[in-house]
Order: sequence, then C-alpha cells, then structure tokens
Amino acid sequence: GAGVSQSPSNKVTEKGKDVELRCDPISGHTALYWYRQSLGQGLEFLIYFQGNSAPDKSGLPSDRFSAERTGGSVSTLTIQRTQQEDSAVYLCASYTGTSGRTGELFFGEGSRLTVL
Amino acid sequence: GDSVTQMEGPVTLSEEAFLTINCTYTATGYPSLFWYVQYPGEGLQLLLKATKADDKGSNKGFEATYRKETTSFHLEKGSVQVSDSAVYFCALSRSNTGKLIFGQGTTLQVKP
Repeated sequence: GAGVSQSPSNKVTEKGKDVELRCDPISGHTALYWYRQSLGQGLEFLIYFQGNSAPDKSGLPSDRFSAERTGGSVSTLTIQRTQQEDSAVYLCASYTGTSGRTGELFFGEGSRLTVL
Repeated sequence: GDSVTQMEGPVTLSEEAFLTINCTYTATGYPSLFWYVQYPGEGLQLLLKATKADDKGSNKGFEATYRKETTSFHLEKGSVQVSDSAVYFCALSRSNTGKLIFGQGTTLQVKP
C-alpha cells in the first residue's frame, strides 16, 4: 500500500492476556518505529529498527513488551500479560533512512488497545 | 536528556483568530525541529520542519522559526480555520537515525 498499515485498529482484551499488534511499513523504508500515545500524554518512544542493525529497545517500559521485524519489513509488537496501564494507542512509523537528520516519519493510524 | 515542552491545551479560538502554540526544547548540539499534526481520526503527519538555526518552516499558512538563542520553535498562523482543529505536536531529532522526541501535544479547537 501507499502508507503505513497497522492492525488491528482496535483491540479489547482482558487483563493478563497477550496481544500482538502488526505494522506494515511503506515499501522500501529501512527504519521502523513504535510509539505509544496514552490519553493526555505525548508520544512515548518504544523501539526502533534500522536495517540489519540491532534494534534500539531503550523505550520499552518493561520486559512484557517485545517487538520483532521479519525480513526487514513487517513488524509485530507483542505485549505479554497485559495490564490496564497498557491501554493506549500504539503507533507505528517508518522512515526512508536515507534523509539524514531530516527525520520525517510516516505514521500509521494506530492500534487502540483497551485492557479491561 | 533531550526533551520538548509545549504549552498546555486545549486552545480554543474563534475562526480567523491568530494562533501561537509555544514549544521549547532541550538538546545538545543542533537538532532538527518539527511540527506534526494529528487531525481527528487520522494518523500523524508532518506539518513543517526546520533543520538549522534561523530557518523558518512553513506550510498551509503555518510558520515556525528555529530560534537557537531561546531554544524555541513556536508555531504561528495568522488566521485559523475550523479545519485547523487538531492536535499539534512539536518534536526534535538530534541524530541521523530520524528518531523523534515529541512534546505532549496541544489540542486546538477552532469555533465558527
């Protein structure tokens, strides 16, 4: 597709369940980010993938969060044993990786997670 | 560490009013600065950017000037429209990875 695609757009789960959120970046973009947007909060950086380099996981809030990127394209963010404080909109963004410091990211519409 | 601080919202204006949304940053070196906008029901999109001191970014009638001496990048528009109602995020990028650090976001509501 032309833009960043995320699924599901909405997910309601029970506390303690695991969830997987998927991101399909723009074709050819080498860099992929996950951010979290909580109500009334800014965008919180979670994790960053760039090509074949080791991912920058410095933003993951706990070891219940993990992400992988297969084949340098699609990424999956997994949250294990979900807690109510995990409720948020999870945003994926991709980037050409060639424009140096310009840092223009292209965002998907997000996956809204609600943990009951 | 690097950070971005925006004025708190929500900001409510009448159509054709002048808009200013304040943004200041803390960063070493020379970051690139951005304003992103999130319209209702849509994903974030880049509104404008400036990559060095004294640069002015502009788009859709919005402007922001990179002021290194005051570490600011305030967003302005001379005459807002109802369609400008959205959440506006100020952000900086200091490395060549494109990693963005965002402010809290400011909600703008424009009434007819």
